[in-house]
Amino acid sequence: SQQGEEDPQALSIQEGENATMNCSYKTSINNLQWYRQNSGRGLVHLILIRSNEREKHSGRLRVTLDTSKKSSSLLITASRAADTASYFCATDAAGAGSYQLTFGKGTKLSVIP
Amino acid sequence: GAVVSQHPSRVICKSGTSVKIECRSLDFQATTMFWYRQFPKKSLMLMATSNEGSKATYEQGVEKDKFLINHASLTLSTLTVTSAHPEDSSFYICSARVLYQETQYFGPGTRLLVL
Repeated sequence: SQQGEEDPQALSIQEGENATMNCSYKTSINNLQWYRQNSGRGLVHLILIRSNEREKHSGRLRVTLDTSKKSSSLLITASRAADTASYFCATDAAGAGSYQLTFGKGTKLSVIP
Repeated sequence: GAVVSQHPSRVICKSGTSVKIECRSLDFQATTMFWYRQFPKKSLMLMATSNEGSKATYEQGVEKDKFLINHASLTLSTLTVTSAHPEDSSFYICSARVLYQETQYFGPGTRLLVL
């Protein structure tokens, strides 16, 4: 399967609820990044977590990283309708030195007002 | 800060023609730019990595003679889709990276439709 796979593929929640998305990857990484994409638009960088970090917060976002399981999760608390978008994780492979990112397939989040 | 623009945002062309897409970093110098392709409801697939002043590095399966990349300055990279065919229709996104920073800044994308 592909490096950086998110699940679920689609998630629909009510406004105010929390949304959790997961990402799994295969190779060793320097860091893992989460991006957001509104329909038909470019990507917006949300948060970066390095391989030696376990948890990171930014506003309503909380990211965890478990390198032993090669997995990460993105939690969006108190979701808003404006959070509706696709969310992608991307990994920067360790040792590559090229800073290339490998993207997962994404989770499409729908927040219902 | 860290704004990346792409032009055009949308282009429709006839089969057989060539299309040039520009990617500019507006307020920073990008040592590396990346070109991605995204099919509907799919993830981003890296096409090539472009370093200023040197030849682009293409990913496996990407034809370098079909997708010409020029990174002539620290603020501009161009992708030219030569002799475009309908199967080249896609959403093309560029990103730019600053030296010593891990984050990539993405452009808004260019939607190409080849008739």
